[in-house]
Amino acid sequence: NAGVTQTPKFQVLKTGQSMTLQCAQDMNHEYMSWYRQDPGMGLRLIHYSVGAGITDQGEVPNGYNVSRSTTEDFPLRLLSAAPSQTSVYFCASNEIRDRQETQYFGPGTRLLVL
Amino acid sequence: DQQVKQNSPSLSVQEGRISILNCDYTNSMFDYFLWYKKYPAEGPTFLISISSIKDKNEDGRFTVFLNKSAKHLSLHIVPSQPGDSAVYFCAAKASGTYKYIFGTGTRLKVLA
Repeated sequence: NAGVTQTPKFQVLKTGQSMTLQCAQDMNHEYMSWYRQDPGMGLRLIHYSVGAGITDQGEVPNGYNVSRSTTEDFPLRLLSAAPSQTSVYFCASNEIRDRQETQYFGPGTRLLVL
Repeated sequence: DQQVKQNSPSLSVQEGRISILNCDYTNSMFDYFLWYKKYPAEGPTFLISISSIKDKNEDGRFTVFLNKSAKHLSLHIVPSQPGDSAVYFCAAKASGTYKYIFGTGTRLKVLA
């Protein structure tokens, strides 16, 4: 298993540009989520999905869109990038077994918006 | 309003001794808690979790204690090893929800 993969690793955008951060998992997990990590802020939930076709907002959803057409993929779209979206973005998927939850994170995408 | 707090930004411990990382929460609806370790330039790695129906969960060198009345949990690492040097995050979620709330992290340094 590759686990949770994210592309790209690094990206530089200009203000107003759009882009999609890719996330995929090969563990057949229903639950997937996107977080951003900023200095001194911990990880904050942007959007999450509990299965194909089902998404919902987290703590900081503004400026981001998501969709979940397959179990494996959960892309995050920035429609018009702003400097405030400079951050490290992590995708995660969850395994729930015997009432125990384990969350697996991807390696992250570092985004700089100029 | 920070619902999950890790009030110690950093902690240094001698190799072989116990490391105790603390986490406090304010939302009494939280009923599931997780601890993660994070190395620089990598994603967080799940360590251990605990449900509110328990007050202790152990996995090898890692033990998590939950005190529901104090809304406090702690992660004990015994014995501490230099490879444990990382940032540790606690996270919590409420029953019936899928929203994990993370603390701001504690940087642990284990001195050889």
